[in-house]
Formats: sequence, structure tokens, C-alpha cells
Amino acid sequence: ELKVEQNPLFLSMQEGKNYTIYCNYSTTSDRLYWYRQDPGKSLESLFVLLSNGAVKQEGRLMASLDTKARLSTLHITAAVHDLSATYFCAVVTASKLTFGTGTRLQVTL
Amino acid sequence: NAGVTQTPKFRVLKTGQSMTLLCAQDMNHEYMYWYRQDPGMGLRLIHYSVGEGTTAKGEVPDGYNVSRLKKQNFLLGLESAAPSQTSVYFCASSYTGTDTYSNQPQHFGDGTRLSIL
Repeated sequence: ELKVEQNPLFLSMQEGKNYTIYCNYSTTSDRLYWYRQDPGKSLESLFVLLSNGAVKQEGRLMASLDTKARLSTLHITAAVHDLSATYFCAVVTASKLTFGTGTRLQVTL
Repeated sequence: NAGVTQTPKFRVLKTGQSMTLLCAQDMNHEYMYWYRQDPGMGLRLIHYSVGEGTTAKGEVPDGYNVSRLKKQNFLLGLESAAPSQTSVYFCASSYTGTDTYSNQPQHFGDGTRLSIL
């Protein structure tokens, strides 16, 4: 059974600081998605990582994938309050997504 | 652009009642999915469909049934609601499955908040 673990589960950080969210998974997969969810809202796709070594960047967020280590990271640079949300990684196997438990990010002034 | 539309958005049921959640997509997607989201947990797959007339079980299918009679619609049914089914339900769709030849992420609806008393 595929397990997808994210850490930390909750992250409180000050504006302007950098931090990394980790997503570890337990079985072979060569693609992974990152989603953002605001409270009471739906999921918004952030990144699609399709192969080992893939790196994608959008604004202050950068995601990477290491399929050999079964690890993806979401790096936040110089955080701003607008990034406060819950972030999910989701691993692709057999046409299905398995989601991590999410990392709730709170950016404070 | 409507995308993925879920109805209803909110519903309160009594234990033992039945109901159907409707998901409609206008993107001509082949694949559709139903998830549930519980506090402190990620999304868990209930059932999915890889095309009109097909359905398959996901991670947590017990107590739910689904139908995909038309390509654009995917229905989720609760025959006899139980308090353990209180959750937020999300529908998603994608052009193809998230398989080797696809890089299209799943598109999600806004969710249905279901409470069972």
C-alpha cells in the first residue's frame, strides 16, 4: 500500500523567511503533483513534476522531485502572507493519485 | 468556464437517509474521481471512472455507489447514510488518467459539505 508522508504537518513562519516542505512516498512513481488549498476552498494545481530531477518554479515557490529517494520538496523563498494555505503533495500510481496529509502553512507578519 | 461543478454545496442528512451527489464537467474529460476529505487528512479516493459506463473502487469505497451514464456526469450515492460519512466530498476530472503519457493534473470541483446526524 502506497504511503505518502508530508512534514511538517503545520508550519508557522515569519514573512521573509525561507522554508522547505518535504513529501516522502513509499513506492515507485515517476510523477508527483503539488496542490494548494485555501480554507473552505477547492484544490488548485501548483506543480506537475514528471521525471527524476524535475524542478519547477513559480514565484516564491519551487518544487523538485527525486524519484530515487522517493522525495519531493516544496521550497518557499521569502514567504509572504498570501502563501498561507494548506499544501498537498499527491503521488501518481496506476492512474490514481494518493495524497499526503497536507502541510498547513501560516505566514505571520 | 464552468470546469467541474458539484451539487449540492451543502447538505445535512439524518442517519439512514439516502442521497446522490452530482458532479458535472464540461472539459470533455475521460477520467472522473470522487474523494472525501476529513480534518487533518489528505484526500482519499472513493471511486473513479476511466470513461463513460465504467467505474472502479478506490481506497475507501464501502457505503458508496457511483454511476457514469454520461461522459460529463459522475454521480456518487449514499444508500444509507452513516455519521462516519460526514465529510467534504470533492469531485475531480482529467483528460486522461494520470498515467505515463499524461501531464495533466486533475481539476477539482468546489466540494460538497455533507453532515450526517
